Amino acid sequence: DTGVSQNPRHKITKRGQNVTFRCDPISEHNRLYWYRQTLGQGPEFLTYFQNEAQLEKSRLLSDRFSAERPKGSFSTLEIQRTEQGDSAMYLCASSLGGNAQPQHFGDGTRLSIL
Amino acid sequence: AQSVAQPEDQVNVAEGNPLTVKCTYSVSGNPYLFWYVQYPNRGLQFLLKYITGDNLVKGSYGFEAEFNKSQTSFHLKKPSALVSDSALYFCAVRDREAAGNKLTFGGGTRVLVKP
Repeated sequence: DTGVSQNPRHKITKRGQNVTFRCDPISEHNRLYWYRQTLGQGPEFLTYFQNEAQLEKSRLLSDRFSAERPKGSFSTLEIQRTEQGDSAMYLCASSLGGNAQPQHFGDGTRLSIL
Repeated sequence: AQSVAQPEDQVNVAEGNPLTVKCTYSVSGNPYLFWYVQYPNRGLQFLLKYITGDNLVKGSYGFEAEFNKSQTSFHLKKPSALVSDSALYFCAVRDREAAGNKLTFGGGTRVLVKP
């Protein structure tokens, strides 16, 4: 069990640029989740995949956000035309099937918009 | 809808003393409840969960939590706190009858254990 891996750990970009983050889940986990966490707050749900299917998206996920999990393994989260308000920690988690299974989190990608 | 409240922004405790972090929840149906801990610049680390059965749940690092359905609470406890327990603690809930699979987190409680 190598844990959930996220890259990059930090991303600094100018407003208006596009950014992409990658998440590699625990290998046997078929469920993958993205959350956003701002300073001093709890994580907020963004989206959820079961295998390659994106089954749920939050209203927080505006048109500028897109997530993929093309082969049911790793996932990418892209933000287009970044805005100041996108500055946050983006957390990825994975779990086995079943709603009672705990989600296991990566260390996140911290996005800073200049 | 599901929600979590952690009424204390910060809890201060002396090393060796008991530690309690409070959590109350709201769901339409029955809950799955989770506690996570977060250290600086790290992701959330799973501590324990309540699914069904015994109201007292034991987890990692000597932590336990008590589920109280009538008070809709799931308080985290540790009999003897360590300085290394200083971190940010999050309670989370999922309504087991609801469609979807998201966790809803509380705002977090910062625990400071003083030597």
